[in-house]
Amino acid sequence: SQQGEEDPQALSIQEGENATMNCSYKTSINNLQWYRQNSGRGLVHLILIRSNEREKHSGRLRVTLDTSKKSSSLLITASRAADTASYFCATDDAAGNKLTFGGGTRVLVKP
Amino acid sequence: DTAVSQTPKYLVTQMGNDKSIKCEQNLGHDTMYWYKQDSKKFLKIMFSYNNKELIINETVPNRFSPKSPDKAHLNLHINSLELGDSAVYFCASSSSGGTGYTFGSGTRLTVV
Repeated sequence: SQQGEEDPQALSIQEGENATMNCSYKTSINNLQWYRQNSGRGLVHLILIRSNEREKHSGRLRVTLDTSKKSSSLLITASRAADTASYFCATDDAAGNKLTFGGGTRVLVKP
Repeated sequence: DTAVSQTPKYLVTQMGNDKSIKCEQNLGHDTMYWYKQDSKKFLKIMFSYNNKELIINETVPNRFSPKSPDKAHLNLHINSLELGDSAVYFCASSSSGGTGYTFGSGTRLTVV
């Protein structure tokens, strides 16, 4: 079963706008990670946030984590056409043995 | 220079055949994984190996047999292929300490 559920499943925005996607999970985690997958490609690690962190930034990416609500959000600011991809959240369980992925959000950035 | 490389990139084969997918990482990571991505893009872990030792076998049919000859390699052999095995298979690696995974570019397996 999927640990993470992502919302929305798909998102279409204009270049320059911000894109926000959310992830909810069910069990205790060590950390939560976000990945990007371009069509026909492998997944690329974007950012990792540990369970004792609440917010993290990397370039145009901002990730929040609320462990009391078991949820995370990924914000991409000033989006570009090259940001068009699927974005996945993944949780690293307390044992740290594996990543469990959500279903992904497909983001389309229109030029 | 490729960090995690897997071969082949595409594999088309008939039902009942046996096939292998190879994976190698040059990052010095101690853990390697196989993930399966279905047609709806759901990713599910199949196996993980830490320093050549099997850590996770996620209720995968025993037609699937991973082999790790050393910690830089994790191969996947599939016997008696079925139509439902069609998917994209990803190899990944990570180091201990809770860092991100590095994924290969995937092997698209089509069983006809």
